[in-house]
Amino acid sequence: EAGVAQSPRYKIIEKRQSVAFWCNPISGHATLYWYQQILGQGPKLLIQFQNNGVVDDSQLPKDRFSAERLKGVDSTLKIQPAKLEDSAVYLCASSLMLAGYEQYFGPGTRLTVT
Amino acid sequence: AQSVTQPDIHITVSEGASLELRCNYSYGATPYLFWYVQSPGQGLQLLLKYFSGDTLVQGIKGFEAEFKRSQSSFNLRKPSVHWSDAAEYFCAGHHGSSNTGKLIFGQGTTLQVKP
Repeated sequence: EAGVAQSPRYKIIEKRQSVAFWCNPISGHATLYWYQQILGQGPKLLIQFQNNGVVDDSQLPKDRFSAERLKGVDSTLKIQPAKLEDSAVYLCASSLMLAGYEQYFGPGTRLTVT
Repeated sequence: AQSVTQPDIHITVSEGASLELRCNYSYGATPYLFWYVQSPGQGLQLLLKYFSGDTLVQGIKGFEAEFKRSQSSFNLRKPSVHWSDAAEYFCAGHHGSSNTGKLIFGQGTTLQVKP
């Protein structure tokens, strides 16, 4: 079974620029998560989708971050405009169930904002 | 507030020695608990999980963890460490009665293995 796919793997941008990350979950997984992992910290949930609906976006900085999962499969996370503090690894995960305790993670996208 | 704490930021052990990584949680009720491992440049891989029942949980790669309610702990153990175990380890918790899948992660413990 194919795992969670993410692209790009690495991205370097200047502050105030915009960037987008893509995630394709495991086939059949209805729930998709985006986490932000700052260096030296554990991942922090940004947003959770159930199919194409948002379940939890309480920690998403909505003034600059947006995410969508239009067809209930793959998802895009966007940052516009980026700040220096957005430098982090962005992890996508998926699970079968809504309260999907077993989450499967992709390799992540490492973003550097200069 | 719900939290997961890993007191040790960095641990070094010799290959073949035993390992214990500490994890403490703070939840109103018993959470579901997980240990994940992250190798450089890789995503997180689930090692083991505890939902209920037997407090000693077996996982992959020879790891086990013990849930201790009295100590609010869920420590990860391995009897004999291999060089390939060098990685970062994360403990995570989920509020079992929540309607979301939100995991709360500890800060992580970096494991270095000496030859």
